[in-house]
Amino acid sequence: DAGITQSPRHKVTETGTPVTLRCHQTENHRYMYWYRQDPGHGLRLIHYSYGVKDTDKGEVSDGYSVSRSKTEDFLLTLESATSSQTSVYFCAISATGTKDEQYFGPGTRLTVT
Amino acid sequence: DQQVKQNSPSLSVQEGRISILNCDYTNSMFDYFLWYKKYPAEGPTFLISISSIKDKNEDGRFTVFLNKSAKHLSLHIVPSQPGDSAVYFCAASVGGTASKLTFGTGTRLQVTL
Repeated sequence: DAGITQSPRHKVTETGTPVTLRCHQTENHRYMYWYRQDPGHGLRLIHYSYGVKDTDKGEVSDGYSVSRSKTEDFLLTLESATSSQTSVYFCAISATGTKDEQYFGPGTRLTVT
Repeated sequence: DQQVKQNSPSLSVQEGRISILNCDYTNSMFDYFLWYKKYPAEGPTFLISISSIKDKNEDGRFTVFLNKSAKHLSLHIVPSQPGDSAVYFCAASVGGTASKLTFGTGTRLQVTL
């Protein structure tokens, strides 16, 4: 199994509060991704990173920001959480971003009340 | 606008029989396709991929078929085993890369004894 951990695994927060999810990898892979999974939508890309301090937006980036100050860590921040951001969040990594598969972390279940 | 569609939310197959999971796409720029399997409370795991220059790729019990003219791909699992019971996602990307993936909504496969 690829060495990917996500923290926290579960979180309940109130509308309007900031939330940061962490993804940590031990594989030294260059590419890292944040997805959200919702019923009827599958997985949707929020943001991705192709190197330290290099990030780009995905399909559903509004309301989210990311940071990557070290190869091993990719942080996803909800500046002011809303109920529509209640979801399961997955981090993924890949070595080259070309024809290699992405390895996914175990997920974080976030509930915004 | 769902660019990758899995129209069957669920499928039930007897152990030992063939499972066929289908996926349709609308974006003609997609040229790399992947299948992922997901168990409850875990992240998706990569199964098999296919480039648009091929029409078939096989890996053990898993075969993916691509029909570019119909914008359709399918995953065949032969023989099906109870451990194959999971949600299966197809995903697609542009430019021959596996970086920015667009996922389908998933098909839940149940393999019965």
